[in-house]
Amino acid sequence: GQSLEQPSEVTAVEGAIVQINCTYQTSGFYGLSWYQQHDGGAPTFLSYNALDGLEETGRFSSFLSRSDSYGYLLLQELQMKDSASYFCASSLKGRRALTFGSGTRLQVQP
Amino acid sequence: GAGVSQSPSNKVTEKGKDVELRCDPISGHTALYWYRQSLGQGLEFLIYFQGNSAPDKSGLPSDRFSAERTGGSVSTLTIQRTQQEDSAVYLCASSPLGGAGNQPQHFGDGTRLSIL
Repeated sequence: GQSLEQPSEVTAVEGAIVQINCTYQTSGFYGLSWYQQHDGGAPTFLSYNALDGLEETGRFSSFLSRSDSYGYLLLQELQMKDSASYFCASSLKGRRALTFGSGTRLQVQP
Repeated sequence: GAGVSQSPSNKVTEKGKDVELRCDPISGHTALYWYRQSLGQGLEFLIYFQGNSAPDKSGLPSDRFSAERTGGSVSTLTIQRTQQEDSAVYLCASSPLGGAGNQPQHFGDGTRLSIL
């Protein structure tokens, strides 16, 4: 089966850097995605890693280590609008469905 | 519209009734997914369509749940004889046909289903 673990809540201040970790246990693992969801809103895609290393997209970066079954999302120069839930999601070879973690609620304080 | 559209946005119904939830994917997206999300939880996969066929139905929780897609576009998720544990937000997503996992899924705002 598949399971992903991530912290339930993280708090940080505006302008700071925050890292949200995700560990996974999956057989047939293919890649790790990150999605952002504001309260009452639709999840929106942030980043995807299939290979080890860092992927950078503006203020957001995502990292994957396949050997450690671990990834993280790094948010820099935090803004109040970054307050949301962040989900890691794994995909398997040959399967289109995503398996989501329970999400990390990020609160950005002034 | 430009994004994934779901209707209704909210649905309140009595236990035992049937409900139909609708999803209009992004035009040209051949892959369509249904997920559900309970309060404060992650998304739970239900079913995946490629065109009009559903090669992966492994997430449907019981035979009360069914879904269809017509014309490679609109999809309907039907829940028969609803039960209180069916209460959740039902999310639809679509993506272009591509390699496994590396196509971002574009989500609608969901249908919030409440069973009384």
